[in-house]
Amino acid sequence: AQKITQTQPGMFVQEKEAVTLDCTYDTSDQSYGLFWYKQPSSGEMIFLIYQGSYDEQNATEGRYSLNFQKARKSANLVISASQLGDSAMYFCAMRPRSGSARQLTFGSGTQLTVLP
Amino acid sequence: GAVVSQHPSRVICKSGTSVKIECRSLDFQATTMFWYRQFPKQSLMLMATSNEGSKATYEQGVEKDKFLINHASLTLSTLTVTSAHPEDSSFYICSARVASGSRNIQYFGAGTRLSVL
Repeated sequence: AQKITQTQPGMFVQEKEAVTLDCTYDTSDQSYGLFWYKQPSSGEMIFLIYQGSYDEQNATEGRYSLNFQKARKSANLVISASQLGDSAMYFCAMRPRSGSARQLTFGSGTQLTVLP
Repeated sequence: GAVVSQHPSRVICKSGTSVKIECRSLDFQATTMFWYRQFPKQSLMLMATSNEGSKATYEQGVEKDKFLINHASLTLSTLTVTSAHPEDSSFYICSARVASGSRNIQYFGAGTRLSVL
């Protein structure tokens, strides 16, 4: 079974500053994928970034980067140069890459508020 | 990214009626789609996995007769909430997986907010 832990229910950041959203995970699978999604108040789930467990480099997508530390089982999301539109709920998720139970497991989420 | 279209975005219905929610993959084929339910301020809870041409796989505790899932084509899955009651009021969101090399990214629809009076 997989478990995702997001220990920050809420975070505040000043506009234009960088912010790190924490995510740790627990799994017995050797091969898995890690995901971050953004959910604004409208409700849609927007895919942000993906990291494979065997990827040698940390994933980056524009202002988003994933600080992947496999030994520590952490996959923190870093948002650089925060914008007001970044205010949303952020979910970390993982899924094993093999086996029958290849479903996304979500964390409890972090509500990010960007202050002007 | 891939586009998943979900309709309607919001529905208000009377208790006892049935509500159908559609989930379409617009620019790719999806043999598997997923239906989630989300309560306010909480994470997504997987309800069922919808398989094209076969029966859906329901998660433990989810009533099959209450939440009917039909995946009749490679681009359409539907969730029907039968005989809806106020406790069924929630945010329902569908998802489809797209294979891209070694990555399998799951894209989501915009969700349906169901209010049962």
